Amino acid sequence: AQSVSQHNHHVILSEAASLELGCNYSYGGTVNLFWYVQYPGQHLQLLLKYFSGDPLVKGIKGFEAEFIKSKFSFNLRKPSVQWSDTAEYFCAVSTLHSGAGSYQLTFGKGTKLSVIP
Amino acid sequence: KAGVTQTPRYLIKTRGQQVTLSCSPISGHRSVSWYQQTPGQGLQFLFEYFSETQRNKGNFPGRFSGRQFSNSRSEMNVSTLELGDSALYLCASSPRDSSIPYEQYFGPGTRLTVT
Repeated sequence: AQSVSQHNHHVILSEAASLELGCNYSYGGTVNLFWYVQYPGQHLQLLLKYFSGDPLVKGIKGFEAEFIKSKFSFNLRKPSVQWSDTAEYFCAVSTLHSGAGSYQLTFGKGTKLSVIP
Repeated sequence: KAGVTQTPRYLIKTRGQQVTLSCSPISGHRSVSWYQQTPGQGLQFLFEYFSETQRNKGNFPGRFSGRQFSNSRSEMNVSTLELGDSALYLCASSPRDSSIPYEQYFGPGTRLTVT
């Protein structure tokens, strides 16, 4: 079964520091990749997505992610974080569930980001 | 456009009882998926419905069931509640049939506590 690994459970950064959150998946076929964010007290929101094309994708609020197929990775980056980026970040992979003929999202366990003013 | 709505937002039940949670997708969205979120296991897929048909099911016991109505609203039911069912239950909707990859839009969740 496919799995998604987010190696950092909790990351603490000062404002203006650069951010990189790791995401690796185990699936040999075609994947569609997502990063979702959950701000305190709010629901999950889509940050960015990759389906095909340019492996460097840009999302909302200055976030970007790079799909490296050879490394099975889809790391999230932001050059300068703000206090308002404090949230939990989830990487997700959509793969085809051949038995059902439908795509299914598998999530990583999330990385909590705390930004100190 | 209104987002995905879930009711109730909070629920406290006793072990052995059953519970029904409700989800209204974004207008025009016909696919609804349910997830269980816990601190230990993270987000785990429960099932997905499209046009009133269950398209896909995660690895959960038969106590977890769901359905979708003709207006795309969905309900999930958990029977014979166990302490381990305490979790945030998230509903997500998508405008596309899941035979096509597409992003999902999440609701605020229902926080279920089983005592």
